[in-house]
Amino acid sequence: GAVVSQHPSWVICKSGTSVKIECRSLDFQATTMFWYRQFPKQSLMLMATSNEGSKATYEQGVEKDKFLINHASLTLSTLTVTSAHPEDSSFYICSATTRGRGNTIYFGEGSWLTVV
Amino acid sequence: KQEVTQIPAALSVPEGENLVLNCSFTDSAIYNLQWFRQDPGKGLTSLLLIQSSQREQTSGRLNASLDKSSGRSTLYIAASQPGDSATYLCAAAGDYKLSFGAGTTVTVRA
Repeated sequence: GAVVSQHPSWVICKSGTSVKIECRSLDFQATTMFWYRQFPKQSLMLMATSNEGSKATYEQGVEKDKFLINHASLTLSTLTVTSAHPEDSSFYICSATTRGRGNTIYFGEGSWLTVV
Repeated sequence: KQEVTQIPAALSVPEGENLVLNCSFTDSAIYNLQWFRQDPGKGLTSLLLIQSSQREQTSGRLNASLDKSSGRSTLYIAASQPGDSATYLCAAAGDYKLSFGAGTTVTVRA
């Protein structure tokens, strides 16, 4: 069964509003979580890496004030898309890993965001 | 920086034909390589994971090989079915990060 749960799977929001996506590790403590974004017909691109209890590290070109990442506990990370615009419509997916799992990275199911 | 390339970008085959999907990566210092399936509007499904010390993994009709020295992995799908139609992504894992290819979109015609 799934070891990383992502919610919601689908979300439609109005332009200018904020939307939060949750990523939970179900049976392990995720010391590190990653957030990816995929635009149509493009590769999944890493947005940011978050370690529990510290600030996320954002990849170049990703606005940290727009994509707020919180990794407040060892089982939960959240991505908040603030003041969403239609160009933020994308597939967002999280993954998690921990020491002792043989460098295996577990993925959530992904979240489809549509901003109208 | 790891670069992952998948060729071809799209593939259309008649039902029953075997599928061969290619993935190449530039940095051979990987922990593992994973193959995923992505259906339109849905999340990723993990298909196979090959650790860096392994040469191949098999699951049902799927077989994936890994040649780290040449920076290549190949996913074979035997006796394709229309239900195999999807986009297949490979991802190379290094330093706890995955680098993805752009995917190969497969259409299996009935």
